[in-house]
Amino acid sequence: DGGITQSPKYLFRKEGQNVTLSCEQNLNHDAMYWYRQDPGQGLRLIYYSQIVNDFQKGDIAEGYSVSREKKESFPLTVTSAQKNPTAFYLCASSSQLREYSPLHFGNGTRLTVT
Amino acid sequence: DAKTTQPPSMDCAEGRAANLPCNHSTISGNEYVYWYRQIHSQGPQYIIHGLKNNETNEMASLIITEDRKSSTLILPHATLRDTAVYYCIVRVAISGGGADGLTFGKGTHLIIQP
Repeated sequence: DGGITQSPKYLFRKEGQNVTLSCEQNLNHDAMYWYRQDPGQGLRLIYYSQIVNDFQKGDIAEGYSVSREKKESFPLTVTSAQKNPTAFYLCASSSQLREYSPLHFGNGTRLTVT
Repeated sequence: DAKTTQPPSMDCAEGRAANLPCNHSTISGNEYVYWYRQIHSQGPQYIIHGLKNNETNEMASLIITEDRKSSTLILPHATLRDTAVYYCIVRVAISGGGADGLTFGKGTHLIIQP
């Protein structure tokens, strides 16, 4: 089945450590996105990438970094500079073939930093 | 992108039609209306989108008023599995790609009662 895989589902880290969240898609989509969701809140865009080897900051990029070396993969690193890293992280992708292409989401990684 | 207003929560009896309203009074002529839903601890799921005309698919119907300032998502026969947060989003469709993600507000928490 085509889709987006985020791993792991739950992740625990100590404060001060960097951590990388995985996102892989086999939908052949050009665009990929990272969102953050806090309890009871909507989704906020962290980074997005429209093509391999290119990415742009979203609304809350500070303390995060990404890479896009392959079309299928868009890993997100939560650095020690991110002040409140505990959150639910969602990865998405979309086709660029149509102007109204919807986003397809993975099932998220819940990161807890103590 | 235009701002949307949705009620924070709604109840609906199982088997009845669920009608979820969305106000987007500042929508411009080239902005689509998208609906997504998010079941607890999962990634959002695309439901439907529209520009001017009413739309229907296997999941739902979308009714857009003639002036396009509001819309209603209709789930014709709600089941317990339809309990979720429903997001209404308006977004310019960018021809040829260049999508930079969608802005998700807090949505409407729809609770289907048995």
